[in-house]
Amino acid sequence: NAGVTQTPKFQVLKTGQSMTLQCAQDMNHNSMYWYRQDPGMGLRLIYYSASEGTTDKGEVPNGYNVSRLNKREFSLRLESAAPSQTSVYFCASRGTSGSYEQYFGPGTRLTVT
Amino acid sequence: KQEVTQIPAALSVPEGENLVLNCSFTDSAIYNLQWFRQDPGKGLTSLLLIQSSQREQTSGRLNASLDKSSGRSTLYIAASQPGDSATYLCAVHPGGYQKVTFGTGTKLQVIP
Repeated sequence: NAGVTQTPKFQVLKTGQSMTLQCAQDMNHNSMYWYRQDPGMGLRLIYYSASEGTTDKGEVPNGYNVSRLNKREFSLRLESAAPSQTSVYFCASRGTSGSYEQYFGPGTRLTVT
Repeated sequence: KQEVTQIPAALSVPEGENLVLNCSFTDSAIYNLQWFRQDPGKGLTSLLLIQSSQREQTSGRLNASLDKSSGRSTLYIAASQPGDSATYLCAVHPGGYQKVTFGTGTKLQVIP
């Protein structure tokens, strides 16, 4: 049982380049989330998917797109990376019944130069 | 809009001391509250989750309490150890598909 996995762990991009961050969970959770974490700002929600086939904007969606590929996978795409998107990105998942406990992946450290 | 505050932002204690971390929230209409630990350069690890109908949860040396009416939760760590050094975050969940609100964390250092 791997929980929530993310790839890659580290990435360096030049301004204007694009990339996709991958996330997968094996807990059969309906809801999945993408957060970014910046010093002094805490965790901020970028996008979330309440269930397969739906996605919604969070607090800071500009410059990002997401795809809920299936129940297991939720990807985050940066179409044209900017230095302001330098951050640590976390994917999380949560069940929608019972305790609603949230589980996080190990994160992706992204630097945009 | 829910706001979650954690005070202090940083705390340094000698090994063996019992300590309390605080989490305050503005909207008492919550479904549950979750405490996480984050080590430097790592993801968030769930420590304890308290349902709104519960008053406390315990796991080993950790005890989390919840007082919805006053908008407060505390995480009690008994007999602190250097391995407890990390950032501790609380997160409030309103229920259903609504988003979770995180505090900015308390950075704990336990000195040997």
